[in-house]
Amino acid sequence: SQELEQSPQSLIVQEGKNLTINCTSSKTLYGLYWYKQKYGEGLIFLMMLQKGGEEKSHEKITAKLDEKKQQSSLHITASQPSHAGIYLCGAAGGADGLTFGKGTHLIIQP
Amino acid sequence: DTAVSQTPKYLVTQMGNDKSIKCEQNLGHDTMYWYKQDSKKFLKIMFSYNNKELIINETVPNRFSPKSPDKAHLNLHINSLELGDSAVYFCASSQRGRAAGELFFGEGSRLTVL
Repeated sequence: SQELEQSPQSLIVQEGKNLTINCTSSKTLYGLYWYKQKYGEGLIFLMMLQKGGEEKSHEKITAKLDEKKQQSSLHITASQPSHAGIYLCGAAGGADGLTFGKGTHLIIQP
Repeated sequence: DTAVSQTPKYLVTQMGNDKSIKCEQNLGHDTMYWYKQDSKKFLKIMFSYNNKELIINETVPNRFSPKSPDKAHLNLHINSLELGDSAVYFCASSQRGRAAGELFFGEGSRLTVL
């Protein structure tokens, strides 16, 4: 079965700073999904990457899928308090749903 | 209108009891899921279901059973609750095909077993 490893597990960043979260797969990725979870809430879909080398942006969040399609990175520019939460990468896995990484907890310090 | 709604949001019960969590989606999606998020925030799929097939994660105990009265609902029944069942349970839905990985999640149901 596919496993997704995220790093770092947690991240404390001063407001305004940039940050990067990584997601590495044990197998080739045929679709990589990034989600965000605010504490005490459900997950919100951010973006999907399918093609090697693909890069997508949404507001100040950019995600890339590397050429070999086994790693993705999520980059946040000029972080804000609203960026705080848990970021999870997901890939098509068993049970016909998504398999998720263990998440990266992001805290933004004012 | 909430796209995916779950009830109850909080559930506290004793070991050995049987409980249900309800889920409804108004997005017209054809596939629904149940996920379990443990205390370390690790999210793991339990079931996926559409009107044709139920796919069960093999690690899920048979005390857990999904029931779908119609395409818009997927309820989760849990028998003989155990302490280890304490977690947040998320319902989600998606449309098969190209957007299959874009899941819409409910806000979660926090189950505490005493």
